[in-house]
Amino acid sequence: AQTVTQSQPEMSVQEAETVTLSCTYDTSENNYYLFWYKQPPSRQMILVIRQEAYKQQNATENRFSVNFQKAAKSFSLKISDSQLGDTAMYFCAYSGAGSYQLTFGKGTKLSVIP
Amino acid sequence: GAVVSQHPSRVICKSGTSVKIECRSLDFQATTMFWYRQFPKQSLMLMATSNEGSKATYEQGVEKDKFLINHASLTLSTLTVTSAHPEDSSFYICSARGYRVRNTEAFFGQGTRLTVV
Repeated sequence: AQTVTQSQPEMSVQEAETVTLSCTYDTSENNYYLFWYKQPPSRQMILVIRQEAYKQQNATENRFSVNFQKAAKSFSLKISDSQLGDTAMYFCAYSGAGSYQLTFGKGTKLSVIP
Repeated sequence: GAVVSQHPSRVICKSGTSVKIECRSLDFQATTMFWYRQFPKQSLMLMATSNEGSKATYEQGVEKDKFLINHASLTLSTLTVTSAHPEDSSFYICSARGYRVRNTEAFFGQGTRLTVV
């Protein structure tokens, strides 16, 4: 079974600074997808960024980028120029290429401090 | 982007009654819908996966007779919590994936906060 581990229960960052959230996973599959989801206080799940395992290039979406290390099974999220609206729970998630079921990590609560 | 609407957003019910939660894909056909449960300050736990027109597949430990899932059409799935008890109080979230949308991505509803008193 696949597992996703987020080792940082809580983190904080000053507004406009950069923060990196860690995620590791375990799988025996070669083809899969990795995601970072944001869950603000409204509890709506919002997709932040997605990475296909077969792509070596790290995904980027504006201020959000990932460091995908397939051999190490590591998938960290970097948030640049942090904004107050980035305050939320962040979940790392794994999906097999065939099933598309999501396995979530336990989440990291990020607080952006003015 | 694709939109998934979940209703109701909040519901309070008496112990022993049943509650139905709806999950609709508004602008795409959802071939597969997923139902998750989230306890306070915890992660999302997959309860079941439903494919249109077939029986849902439940995760280990989830009582299929208590959590009835119906996916009768390509745009609607329902979760019915039968004979609800206070321990069923939780946040329930659906997600959907389907045709003509990015099929590596699941789109989430807004969630339903269920309180059983």
